[in-house]
Amino acid sequence: KAGVTQTPRYLIKTRGQQVTLSCSPISGHRSVSWYQQTPGQGLQFLFEYFSETQRNKGNFPGRFSGRQFSNSRSEMNVSTLELGDSALYLCASSSPGHETSGANVLTFGAGSRLTVL
Amino acid sequence: GEDVEQSLFLSVREGDSSVINCTYTDSSSTYLYWYKQEPGAGLQLLTYIFSNMDMKQDQRLTVLLNKKDKHLSLRIADTQTGDSAIYFCAEKENNYGQNFVFGPGTRLSVLP
Repeated sequence: KAGVTQTPRYLIKTRGQQVTLSCSPISGHRSVSWYQQTPGQGLQFLFEYFSETQRNKGNFPGRFSGRQFSNSRSEMNVSTLELGDSALYLCASSSPGHETSGANVLTFGAGSRLTVL
Repeated sequence: GEDVEQSLFLSVREGDSSVINCTYTDSSSTYLYWYKQEPGAGLQLLTYIFSNMDMKQDQRLTVLLNKKDKHLSLRIADTQTGDSAIYFCAEKENNYGQNFVFGPGTRLSVLP
């Protein structure tokens, strides 16, 4: 089955602009999580959506937001971009339990690399 | 909050075994995970271990869990140049959700 698809893969923005990133999860997966990856901070959890509702949120400012649609596809938005928002944004989808055990397994997309100039 | 620590770099010779270590803080984690990230790619699940196990073997991979010391390790036997990547240890926060806490990643370099 198709994996997690993220678009766009690369984008360049300038400070003050806003950006929207898209994520299509694996078919049947209802949970979509977003992570920010930077060399300095590593992988940091942004938020998780399940059945169109934000279920968990990390410690990021309100400029970072997201939503999930009825088909489980998700978008995240960053407004008023800052230089420090330059990062790889990773989306991951999961099903409630792994096929052969109860483990919660994240399947990641290839990421959207955002550069803010 | 929860925290996961790893050494940042490891260098081994091709054919040797690699051991990547991780410590975590959340003793209530039910599962612990190892992910691999190759350049320009997202994270790929390698393996996971249930917290009531102390060892899991999967082909060239062996995971050891010392729950008392909150220490997890990943051993890669017969390391190949294709194993060069960043390896992340992760635990899932014990709540109703899918927010995982990842370590900083260990960059494994395999020398020919």
